[in-house]
Order: sequence, then structure tokens, then C-alpha cells
Amino acid sequence: KQEVTQIPAALSVPEGENLVLNCSFTDSAIYNLQWFRQDPGKGLTSLLLIQSSQREQTSGRLNASLDKSSGRSTLYIAASQPGDSATYLCAVRRANAGKSTFGDGTTLTVKP
Amino acid sequence: NAGVTQTPKFRILKIGQSMTLQCTQDMNHNYMYWYRQDPGMGLKLIYYSVGAGITDKGEVPNGYNVSRSTTEDFPLRLELAAPSQTSVYFCASSSGTGDEKLFFGSGTQLSVL
Repeated sequence: KQEVTQIPAALSVPEGENLVLNCSFTDSAIYNLQWFRQDPGKGLTSLLLIQSSQREQTSGRLNASLDKSSGRSTLYIAASQPGDSATYLCAVRRANAGKSTFGDGTTLTVKP
Repeated sequence: NAGVTQTPKFRILKIGQSMTLQCTQDMNHNYMYWYRQDPGMGLKLIYYSVGAGITDKGEVPNGYNVSRSTTEDFPLRLELAAPSQTSVYFCASSSGTGDEKLFFGSGTQLSVL
């Protein structure tokens, strides 16, 4: 059974800092890994998707990396802004399985 | 292109009542999913479907039923609602081929009192 862990559960940083969010998974036989953002009381917005054959994906100030052998993905946010405050979730889709497993998320607060 | 549409957005049920959460997608996706999210937690898979007529249980299926008669629609039925089913419910879909990116609806906030 795939287990996905996100540590820390909460993170508070001053505006302008670069930061890294972590996602760990137990089964390295994955198809893809997707990072989402969730604002309070809202739905999930897809940020980045990394295929199992890829090492990283970038979108603007966001960079996601994937290391299957160690069962880890990181989401790097450059020059953080108060508008980045949200909960960030990762979802891991196993190979040969039509479903994804979610971590519990990291709640990020960026202070002005 | 509406994507994944869920209705209703909010609902309050009394214990023992039943209801159906509606989900439809217009992307011709083969795969559809129902997740629930409890406060401060990630998403738990309730049921999923890989195509019309095919459904399977996820991690937390008890108390729920689904059907998939068309590619577009994947309703979730709650029978005999219980307080433990108070949660936010999300429907999602993916193509079934290619990068398998997940697309989510905006969610249904359900309270069982």
C-alpha cells in the first residue's frame, strides 16, 4: 500500500524567503506525482505534474523535483509572497493503478 | 469548457437521510474519482471508475455507493447518512492515457446533524 507523508505539517516564513516543501512516498513504482495548492474552503488547483521518467518540472517561481529511488519529491518556492499562503498537497499515482494517494499537506504561511 | 462540475456546493442532512452528490465532466475522461477530505487532512479515495459500467472501491467506501452509466457522469450516493460522513467531497477525473493529470471539481461541503 502506498503511503504518502508531508513534513512539516505547517511552515511559517517571512516574505521573500526561498523555501522547500517535502513529499515522501513508500512505493517507488509510481506513474506520476502531482502537486496541488488548496486555499481555505476551496478546491484543489494543480501546480505541477512530474512523470516518473522526469526529474523536475518548473512553472514560474515553482520547481518540483522527483527522486524515485529515495521516494521523495520537493516543491521549491522562490521569493515567497503572502499570496503563496495556502495548503500544498502532493498526490502519488502508482504504476498500473488507476488511482492516486494524497499526503495530508503542508500549510504555508508567508508573513509580510 | 467547464471541466469537472459538482452539485450541490453545500448540503445539510439529518441522520438517516439519503442523498446523491452529482459529478459531471466534459473532457471525455475515462477515469473518475470521489474523494473526501476531513478537516486538516489529505484526501481519502472513496470510489473510482475506469470507464462506463466499471467501478471499484477506494480506501473508505463504507456507507457510499456509486454508478457510472455514462462517460460524463459519476454520482455518489449516501445511504442512511451518519455524522461520520460530515466532510468535504471532491470529484475528480483524469484521461486514462498520457500524463494522467487529475482535474478536480470545486467540492461539496456536507454536514450530517
